[in-house]
Amino acid sequence: QVQLQESGPGLVKPSETLSLTCTVSGYSISIEYYWGWIRQPPGKGLEWIGTIYHSGNTYSNPSLKSRVTISVDTSKNQFSLKLSSVTAADTAIYYCAREDNYGSGTYPRYWGQGTLVTVSS
Amino acid sequence: SYELTQPPSVSVSPGQTARITCSGDALPKKYAYWYQQKSGQAPVLVIYEDSKRPSGIPERFSGSSSGTMATLTISGAQVEDEADYYCYSTDSSGNHQGVFGGGTKLTVL
Repeated sequence: QVQLQESGPGLVKPSETLSLTCTVSGYSISIEYYWGWIRQPPGKGLEWIGTIYHSGNTYSNPSLKSRVTISVDTSKNQFSLKLSSVTAADTAIYYCAREDNYGSGTYPRYWGQGTLVTVSS
Repeated sequence: SYELTQPPSVSVSPGQTARITCSGDALPKKYAYWYQQKSGQAPVLVIYEDSKRPSGIPERFSGSSSGTMATLTISGAQVEDEADYYCYSTDSSGNHQGVFGGGTKLTVL
């Protein structure tokens, strides 16, 4: 059974870059599937951030695209999220997920437990 | 940008049938997926590709889709089904843009 675990700083200053890593166990990310990020502001709904294939192809939410970088490190079986120029509006629980591909899109199938990132000075 | 619309809340008594809807212009061409999120927990997939149920999900959970609306049905809702439910799909642009609905709070009491 695949397991995912997010890690990274819980506090980021405004205007800085948020950096998170997702470590995958129970499956080699270099084989198949997409690997994605989703966030949830406290008390609010889910927002899809973006996804990456092991080959490096990425797709991201147009509303965040200019600030988002998703990368993969197959040697460590990890993938990462960088979100630049953060503001308080980026405060959220960030989830990583394995995304299964159904041909014309992907959907989050297995989720990490999530990590809270607060943007504050 | 593409949007999926859900009712903010649905309330049923235990044993009744709960129906949660999700509307979106691309749903005639794209699958709908449903997630259950209990307080303080990560979301769990309960329906995929409109109507398929992952292993381990109770049979009382079912899904359907017709035209621009997808529906999650919980037949004989239990108290433990009380949670937030989110639909998910992708837009029709071909750019793999994932979208979640705003979520529906299901109350069973």
